[in-house]
Amino acid sequence: AQSVTQLGSHVSVSEGALVLLRCNYSSSVPPYLFWYVQYPNQGLQLLLKYTSAATLVKGINGFEAEFKKSETSFHLTKPSAHMSDAAEYFCAVRRPTGKLIFGQGTTLQVKP
Amino acid sequence: GAVVSQHPSWVICKSGTSVKIECRSLDFQATTMFWYRQFPKQSLMLMATSNEGSKATYEQGVEKDKFLINHASLTLSTLTVTSAHPEDSSFYICSASRKTQVYNEQFFGPGTRLTVL
Repeated sequence: AQSVTQLGSHVSVSEGALVLLRCNYSSSVPPYLFWYVQYPNQGLQLLLKYTSAATLVKGINGFEAEFKKSETSFHLTKPSAHMSDAAEYFCAVRRPTGKLIFGQGTTLQVKP
Repeated sequence: GAVVSQHPSWVICKSGTSVKIECRSLDFQATTMFWYRQFPKQSLMLMATSNEGSKATYEQGVEKDKFLINHASLTLSTLTVTSAHPEDSSFYICSASRKTQVYNEQFFGPGTRLTVL
């Protein structure tokens, strides 16, 4: 069955620094992968998704992710962190049934 | 487009009472809605899948008599927490599924914070 693992429950970067949030997946079929962001006491907002088209996916707010089949990874990056990027980030994989399976989440802290 | 609302956004209730949470897709019809539960500092756990006009499918370990789900129309699903207890206190999030060219995409509601005293 499909699953995702997020490496690092907490990531801290300085404002303007590179953001790298790690996600590895497990899937026996070509996966659909997603990154969501959650601000405190709010629902989830889709940042970007991979649906077997281009392996480099660009999302909102300057984020992008690269699907690497050889590494079973779908890491999220942003060249320059902004204070407003501080939030909880979830990687997810979609099962053929339509269910989304979420990773454990990574808290991104951005220091001034 | 693809807006999902939840009502109420937060609720406080006494132990033993029942609480109903509504999930609505405002600008699209959703044949499938999902209900998730999120504890503080944790990930989302799928509770059940709700299909319009049929019984909900619950995930393993979720008490269907405790968490009643009704999907009466293509734009509304409700979750009723029956005889709520403090351990039911959590953040409940719904999502509604809309068909795209590639797959059925889920759109998430803003969540409902339930506190049981």
